[in-house]
Amino acid sequence: GAGVSQSPSNKVTEKGKDVELRCDPISGHTALYWYRQSLGQGLEFLIYFQGNSAPDKSGLPSDRFSAERTGGSVSTLTIQRTQQEDSAVYLCASNPDRGWYNEQFFGPGTRLTVL
Amino acid sequence: RKEVEQDPGPFNVPEGATVAFNCTYSNSASQSFFWYRQDCRKEPKLLMSVYSSGNEDGRFTAQLNRASQYISLLIRDSKLSDSATYLCVVNTDKLIFGTGTRLQVFP
Repeated sequence: GAGVSQSPSNKVTEKGKDVELRCDPISGHTALYWYRQSLGQGLEFLIYFQGNSAPDKSGLPSDRFSAERTGGSVSTLTIQRTQQEDSAVYLCASNPDRGWYNEQFFGPGTRLTVL
Repeated sequence: RKEVEQDPGPFNVPEGATVAFNCTYSNSASQSFFWYRQDCRKEPKLLMSVYSSGNEDGRFTAQLNRASQYISLLIRDSKLSDSATYLCVVNTDKLIFGTGTRLQVFP
């Protein structure tokens, strides 16, 4: 079946612009996670959605970052007024239930470059 | 101190060699543990979960030592296709990823 998809695969933007990154989780997966991976760094947790519960936003690095998940499926991560330090690969993952204990299925990521 | 620490490598080994990676974690309340594999410019994929009793999947063996707070991954009879970065992942309320250990298997 189809895996997690993300778009765009690459995004180059200028400092100060806003960007939107999209994630389509695996159909039926109720949990959705956003991470970012900077060069030489581990994956950094950003935000977690589980069903209709309030999202866990504890990993968002600043108020320039926000995310929403519409209809319990597609999610959009928005970065406002991008900075050069926002350059990273943004990865989305999903799994079937509330499950930090369970395997996460990752999308291919969006490589963001802020000039 | 980082919550999850790994030797970044690279570990350069010949085909057929046995190689082991260790990973240490700082939070003794950590609940579950995993090894993920990440190929260059690809997404991470689960390699195996790590159980307290230790577990084996083919050429791969994972072990957990809670007392010393470390996890290990042993790869026997290395293949060229094992070349990748191996991420140690610890569940402490949420998943904490190590920065990975890079393995390069050469002919």
